[in-house]
Amino acid sequence: QVTLRESGPALVKPTQTLTLTCTFSGFSLNTGGMCVAWIRQPPGKALEWLALIDWDDDKYYRTSLKTRLTVSKDTSKNQVVLTMTNMDPVDTATYYCARVRHGSGADHWGQGTLVTVSS
Amino acid sequence: EIVLTQSPDILSLSPGERATLSCRASQTVSSSYLAWYQQKLGQAPRLLIYGASSRATGIPDRFSGSGSGTDFTLTISRLEPEDFAVYYCQHYGSSGRSWGLTFGGGTKVAI
Repeated sequence: QVTLRESGPALVKPTQTLTLTCTFSGFSLNTGGMCVAWIRQPPGKALEWLALIDWDDDKYYRTSLKTRLTVSKDTSKNQVVLTMTNMDPVDTATYYCARVRHGSGADHWGQGTLVTVSS
Repeated sequence: EIVLTQSPDILSLSPGERATLSCRASQTVSSSYLAWYQQKLGQAPRLLIYGASSRATGIPDRFSGSGSGTDFTLTISRLEPEDFAVYYCQHYGSSGRSWGLTFGGGTKVAI
């Protein structure tokens, strides 16, 4: 059974750095074709992809946020970590992690975690 | 960079009716990397269709996907009460000089 769960602060202040952890089970990020993506959704708005890390430790970022994002993995802990620097109120959103398999889309998602950016 | 445009923004239908949702890409994309998701209020998205036309595990056969090139369609043959939700198309793969995932703006299927 594949599960993913996001964890991190619910509230961050403007200019702070956000660190989110995705803890997963039921698959290995060492397996060819496996990836974990981070996607966010501002309240009432559409989904927005942020970053992806694959089994080969290749990393991909949303072009417009590339300078603020870092994604990494710890395969021994089955975790993927996303950091986003210089947080702003417009970054208030529900942040999801999801398993992505090449050729199969994002087939499993975490429940999401709401992050509010406010002073 | 690939842009996905979904239409209509809102589709108002009744249970039992057929729903046809459109997703148009700003440039030709591979059908192999086009997916559709359903999202209900307060829930994470759920994968419905991948590879433009393959149903994900456990998805009822009233959901079908089609299309190629720049135009893709999600069809719900007969709407069930639980199908009223927001639907997103997504491309994953090369986008200009980068690689990533792109979502459309969504179509809300409303009663």
